[in-house]
Amino acid sequence: GGIITQTPKFLIGQEGQKLTLKCQQNFNHDTMYWYRQDSGKGLRLIYYSITENDLQKGDLSEGYDASREKKSSFSLTVTSAQKNEMAVFLCASSIGGRKTLYFGSGTRLTVL
Amino acid sequence: GDSVTQTEGLVTLTEGLPVMLNCTYQTIYSNPFLFWYVQHLNESPRLLLKSFTDNKRTEHQGFHATLHKSSSSFHLQKSSAQLSDSALYYCALSTGGNNKLTFGQGTVLSVIP
Repeated sequence: GGIITQTPKFLIGQEGQKLTLKCQQNFNHDTMYWYRQDSGKGLRLIYYSITENDLQKGDLSEGYDASREKKSSFSLTVTSAQKNEMAVFLCASSIGGRKTLYFGSGTRLTVL
Repeated sequence: GDSVTQTEGLVTLTEGLPVMLNCTYQTIYSNPFLFWYVQHLNESPRLLLKSFTDNKRTEHQGFHATLHKSSSSFHLQKSSAQLSDSALYYCALSTGGNNKLTFGQGTVLSVIP
Protein backbone atom coordinates (compact mmCIF):
# COMPACT_ATOMS: atom_id res chain seq x y z
CA GLY A 1 0.00 0.00 0.00
CA GLY A 2 0.92 3.60 -0.32
CA ILE A 3 0.79 6.67 1.80
CA ILE A 4 0.22 10.39 1.44
CA THR A 5 2.30 12.58 3.69
CA GLN A 6 1.35 16.17 4.36
CA THR A 7 3.69 18.63 6.04
CA PRO A 8 3.44 20.40 8.33
CA LYS A 9 0.56 18.98 10.38
CA PHE A 10 -0.02 22.37 11.99
CA LEU A 11 0.85 25.68 10.38
CA ILE A 12 0.59 29.00 12.18
CA GLY A 13 1.09 32.20 10.26
CA GLN A 14 0.51 35.91 10.44
CA GLU A 15 -2.11 37.72 8.45
CA GLY A 16 -0.67 38.68 5.06
CA GLN A 17 2.06 36.08 5.21
CA LYS A 18 2.84 33.72 2.34
CA LEU A 19 2.59 30.11 3.51
CA THR A 20 3.38 26.81 1.79
CA LEU A 21 1.86 23.40 2.43
CA LYS A 22 3.50 20.26 1.05
CA CYS A 23 2.18 16.86 -0.01
CA GLN A 24 4.03 13.71 -1.06
CA GLN A 25 2.53 10.41 -2.29
CA ASN A 26 4.16 7.07 -3.04
CA PHE A 27 1.18 5.47 -4.78
CA ASN A 28 2.62 6.54 -8.15
CA HIS A 29 -0.75 8.17 -8.85
CA ASP A 30 -1.10 10.57 -11.75
CA THR A 31 -3.70 12.91 -10.26
CA MET A 32 -3.31 14.95 -7.10
CA TYR A 33 -5.71 17.33 -5.37
CA TRP A 34 -5.85 20.03 -2.74
CA TYR A 35 -9.11 20.43 -0.83
CA ARG A 36 -10.05 22.84 1.90
CA GLN A 37 -12.26 21.51 4.71
CA ASP A 38 -14.43 23.95 6.65
CA SER A 39 -17.09 22.85 9.08
CA GLY A 40 -20.50 22.88 7.40
CA LYS A 41 -19.06 23.64 3.96
CA GLY A 42 -17.72 20.28 3.00
CA LEU A 43 -14.62 19.71 0.94
CA ARG A 44 -13.95 22.43 -1.60
CA LEU A 45 -11.47 21.90 -4.40
CA ILE A 46 -8.66 24.43 -4.59
CA TYR A 47 -6.36 22.99 -7.27
CA TYR A 48 -5.75 19.67 -8.92
CA SER A 49 -3.13 18.28 -11.26
CA ILE A 50 -3.51 15.37 -13.67
CA THR A 51 0.19 14.93 -14.30
CA GLU A 52 3.58 16.44 -13.55
CA ASN A 53 3.69 20.20 -14.33
CA ASP A 54 -0.06 20.32 -14.94
CA LEU A 55 -2.33 22.60 -12.89
CA GLN A 56 -6.11 22.92 -12.97
CA LYS A 57 -8.06 25.46 -10.95
CA GLY A 58 -10.82 24.28 -8.68
CA ASP A 59 -13.73 26.26 -7.30
CA LEU A 60 -11.69 28.00 -4.59
CA SER A 61 -8.39 28.82 -6.30
CA GLU A 62 -8.37 32.57 -5.68
CA GLY A 63 -5.72 33.45 -3.12
CA TYR A 64 -3.80 30.22 -3.69
CA ASP A 65 -1.03 28.98 -5.98
CA ALA A 66 0.01 25.39 -6.56
CA SER A 67 3.01 23.58 -7.97
CA ARG A 68 3.50 20.02 -9.30
CA GLU A 69 7.17 19.77 -10.17
CA LYS A 70 7.34 16.03 -9.63
CA LYS A 71 4.77 13.28 -10.05
CA SER A 72 5.04 12.42 -6.36
CA SER A 73 4.66 15.90 -4.89
CA PHE A 74 2.12 18.68 -4.97
CA SER A 75 2.51 21.89 -2.98
CA LEU A 76 -0.02 24.60 -2.17
CA THR A 77 0.84 28.20 -1.38
CA VAL A 78 -1.44 30.60 0.44
CA THR A 79 -0.35 33.84 -1.19
CA SER A 80 -1.52 36.18 1.60
CA ALA A 81 -2.96 34.45 4.65
CA GLN A 82 -6.26 35.81 5.96
CA LYS A 83 -8.00 35.08 9.23
CA ASN A 84 -11.10 33.79 7.47
CA GLU A 85 -9.20 30.97 5.84
CA MET A 86 -8.32 29.06 8.96
CA ALA A 87 -9.22 25.52 7.99
CA VAL A 88 -7.88 22.03 7.41
CA PHE A 89 -6.23 21.50 4.04
CA LEU A 90 -6.38 17.99 2.66
CA CYS A 91 -4.21 16.58 -0.09
CA ALA A 92 -5.41 13.57 -2.07
CA SER A 93 -4.32 11.45 -4.99
CA SER A 94 -5.91 9.02 -7.43
CA ILE A 95 -4.98 6.93 -10.45
CA GLY A 96 -7.21 9.12 -12.57
CA GLY A 97 -10.67 10.49 -12.99
CA ARG A 98 -13.58 8.60 -11.41
CA LYS A 99 -11.19 6.56 -9.32
CA THR A 100 -10.88 6.35 -5.56
CA LEU A 101 -9.25 9.31 -3.85
CA TYR A 102 -6.73 8.60 -1.09
CA PHE A 103 -6.32 11.40 1.42
CA GLY A 104 -3.48 12.62 3.56
CA SER A 105 -3.98 13.43 7.23
CA GLY A 106 -4.25 17.15 6.64
CA THR A 107 -2.60 20.43 7.55
CA ARG A 108 -4.45 22.64 10.01
CA LEU A 109 -3.87 26.30 9.27
CA THR A 110 -4.20 28.98 11.93
CA VAL A 111 -3.81 32.65 11.05
CA LEU A 112 -3.05 35.11 13.84
CA GLY B 1 -21.07 23.60 -12.92
CA ASP B 2 -21.60 20.35 -11.07
CA SER B 3 -23.09 20.41 -7.58
CA VAL B 4 -24.00 17.99 -4.79
CA THR B 5 -26.58 18.53 -2.05
CA GLN B 6 -26.76 16.38 1.07
CA THR B 7 -28.98 16.07 4.12
CA GLU B 8 -28.09 19.14 6.07
CA GLY B 9 -26.04 19.26 9.21
CA LEU B 10 -26.46 16.67 11.91
CA VAL B 11 -28.49 13.46 11.93
CA THR B 12 -28.88 11.84 15.34
CA LEU B 13 -30.13 8.25 15.55
CA THR B 14 -30.62 5.67 18.21
CA GLU B 15 -28.55 2.52 17.79
CA GLY B 16 -30.44 -0.14 15.83
CA LEU B 17 -32.59 2.24 13.83
CA PRO B 18 -32.22 2.51 10.04
CA VAL B 19 -29.92 5.09 8.48
CA MET B 20 -30.77 7.20 5.46
CA LEU B 21 -28.57 10.08 4.36
CA ASN B 22 -29.80 11.93 1.30
CA CYS B 23 -27.68 12.96 -1.66
CA THR B 24 -28.83 14.63 -4.85
CA TYR B 25 -26.70 16.03 -7.61
CA GLN B 26 -26.82 18.35 -10.59
CA THR B 27 -24.77 17.94 -13.74
CA ILE B 28 -25.11 18.42 -17.47
CA TYR B 29 -23.25 15.19 -18.14
CA SER B 30 -25.15 11.97 -18.74
CA ASN B 31 -22.67 9.56 -17.13
CA PRO B 32 -22.07 10.63 -13.56
CA PHE B 33 -20.00 8.65 -11.09
CA LEU B 34 -21.23 8.92 -7.50
CA PHE B 35 -19.27 8.24 -4.33
CA TRP B 36 -19.80 8.16 -0.58
CA TYR B 37 -16.79 8.96 1.60
CA VAL B 38 -16.73 8.58 5.38
CA GLN B 39 -14.54 10.51 7.81
CA HIS B 40 -14.28 9.36 11.40
CA LEU B 41 -13.09 11.72 14.10
CA ASN B 42 -9.39 12.61 13.75
CA GLU B 43 -9.09 10.58 10.57
CA SER B 44 -9.00 11.37 6.86
CA PRO B 45 -11.91 10.73 4.51
CA ARG B 46 -11.95 7.28 2.94
CA LEU B 47 -14.11 5.71 0.26
CA LEU B 48 -17.18 3.87 1.50
CA LEU B 49 -18.84 2.97 -1.80
CA LYS B 50 -19.28 4.14 -5.37
CA SER B 51 -21.46 3.60 -8.41
CA PHE B 52 -21.91 4.62 -12.01
CA THR B 53 -24.62 2.12 -13.01
CA ASP B 54 -28.19 3.36 -13.06
CA ASN B 55 -30.63 1.54 -10.75
CA LYS B 56 -28.05 -0.94 -9.46
CA ARG B 57 -27.58 -1.33 -5.69
CA THR B 58 -24.00 -1.17 -4.45
CA GLU B 59 -23.05 -2.36 -0.96
CA HIS B 60 -20.08 -2.16 1.36
CA GLN B 61 -19.62 -2.65 5.10
CA GLY B 62 -23.35 -2.89 5.70
CA PHE B 63 -24.14 0.33 3.84
CA HIS B 64 -25.84 0.44 0.47
CA ALA B 65 -26.81 3.00 -2.14
CA THR B 66 -28.47 2.99 -5.55
CA LEU B 67 -27.78 5.54 -8.26
CA HIS B 68 -31.07 6.80 -9.74
CA LYS B 69 -30.36 9.01 -12.71
CA SER B 70 -34.06 9.77 -13.15
CA SER B 71 -34.11 11.60 -9.82
CA SER B 72 -30.37 12.50 -9.71
CA SER B 73 -30.04 10.79 -6.34
CA PHE B 74 -27.61 8.50 -4.53
CA HIS B 75 -28.93 8.11 -0.98
CA LEU B 76 -26.89 6.18 1.58
CA GLN B 77 -28.73 3.59 3.66
CA LYS B 78 -28.11 1.03 6.35
CA SER B 79 -30.67 -1.21 7.97
CA SER B 80 -29.42 -0.86 11.53
CA ALA B 81 -27.18 1.90 12.87
CA GLN B 82 -24.21 1.06 15.08
CA LEU B 83 -22.35 3.33 17.46
CA SER B 84 -19.26 2.97 15.27
CA ASP B 85 -21.13 4.51 12.32
CA SER B 86 -20.88 7.91 13.97
CA ALA B 87 -18.87 9.97 11.50
CA LEU B 88 -18.98 12.69 8.84
CA TYR B 89 -20.31 11.41 5.51
CA TYR B 90 -19.64 13.05 2.15
CA CYS B 91 -21.38 12.41 -1.13
CA ALA B 92 -19.27 13.22 -4.19
CA LEU B 93 -19.74 13.46 -7.95
CA SER B 94 -17.37 12.92 -10.87
CA THR B 95 -18.37 13.70 -14.44
CA GLY B 96 -16.91 14.17 -17.88
CA GLY B 97 -13.24 13.45 -18.33
CA ASN B 98 -11.69 16.17 -16.24
CA ASN B 99 -10.67 14.15 -13.13
CA LYS B 100 -12.53 16.63 -10.94
CA LEU B 101 -14.46 15.36 -7.90
CA THR B 102 -17.13 17.62 -6.42
CA PHE B 103 -18.14 17.01 -2.80
CA GLY B 104 -21.31 17.88 -0.97
CA GLN B 105 -21.27 19.84 2.28
CA GLY B 106 -21.19 16.69 4.42
CA THR B 107 -23.62 15.17 6.92
CA VAL B 108 -22.64 14.32 10.47
CA LEU B 109 -24.21 11.09 11.67
CA SER B 110 -24.33 10.65 15.43
CA VAL B 111 -25.52 7.28 16.72
CA ILE B 112 -26.51 7.19 20.38
CA PRO B 113 -27.18 4.21 22.67
